[in-house]
Amino acid sequence: GQNIDQPTEMTATEGAIVQINCTYQTSGFNGLFWYQQHAGEAPTFLSYNVLDGLEEKGRFSSFLSRSKGYSYLLLKELQMKDSASYLCAVKDSNYQLIWGAGTKLIIKP
Amino acid sequence: SQTIHQWPATLVQPVGSPLSLECTVEGTSNPNLYWYRQAAGRGLQLLFYSVGIGQISSEVPQNLSASRPQDRQFILSSKKLLLSDSGFYLCAWTLGGREAGEQYFGPGTRLTVT
Repeated sequence: GQNIDQPTEMTATEGAIVQINCTYQTSGFNGLFWYQQHAGEAPTFLSYNVLDGLEEKGRFSSFLSRSKGYSYLLLKELQMKDSASYLCAVKDSNYQLIWGAGTKLIIKP
Repeated sequence: SQTIHQWPATLVQPVGSPLSLECTVEGTSNPNLYWYRQAAGRGLQLLFYSVGIGQISSEVPQNLSASRPQDRQFILSSKKLLLSDSGFYLCAWTLGGREAGEQYFGPGTRLTVT
C-alpha cells in the first residue's frame, strides 16, 4: 500500500527553527510537495522537490532524499503566523497526489 | 492570473437530502480538476478528478458523484446525504497534462450533515 508518515503535532518557539519530517512509501515517485494549511482554510502551496537536495525559498526550505524515501520542511525565524498544519504529498506513478495527514505546528511566544 | 471559486462556503443539510457543490476556475484552459474531502484533523482524501469535459475518474466508491459540464466547471453531487458525508470539501486545479505540477485549491465548503 501507499503510505506517508508525518508527526501529528509539533511545538516550537517564536524566532526558533523547526524541522518537520515526512517519510513515504509509494508506488513510484514523481515529486514531493509541501503545503501549509491554516485552521479552517484551504491548503496553499509551499514547495516542490523532484530531485535530491535542498530547495530554499525565503524562510522555508525543503529537502528530499529519494533513496531514503524522506523529506523535511525547515522553517526558520518562526513567526506566530506560521502556526498551521503542514501537509506532505507525493505524486505517484499514476501522477496522482498521495497526501499525508499533516503536522500541526504550534508556535509559542 | 488564475482564480478558483467554490460555493457555498458553509452548508448544513439533513440526512437524506441532496447535495450540489460547484467549483469554477478562471484564467486557464483545460485544467485538471479535483474534488477532495478532509475530515477534521485528517489528510486529504481524493474523491474525483477530471482531465477534460465529461471525463470523470472516481477514486472512492460512495454515494457521491461528479460532473464536468464545461471546461472550467466541476460539480460534486449526492442524491441522498449520509452523516459520514460531513467534512471540508475542497476543489483544486492544476495545469493539464501528466507533468502538471502543484495543485491550487479553492476556499472550500464546510458541510455538516445533521
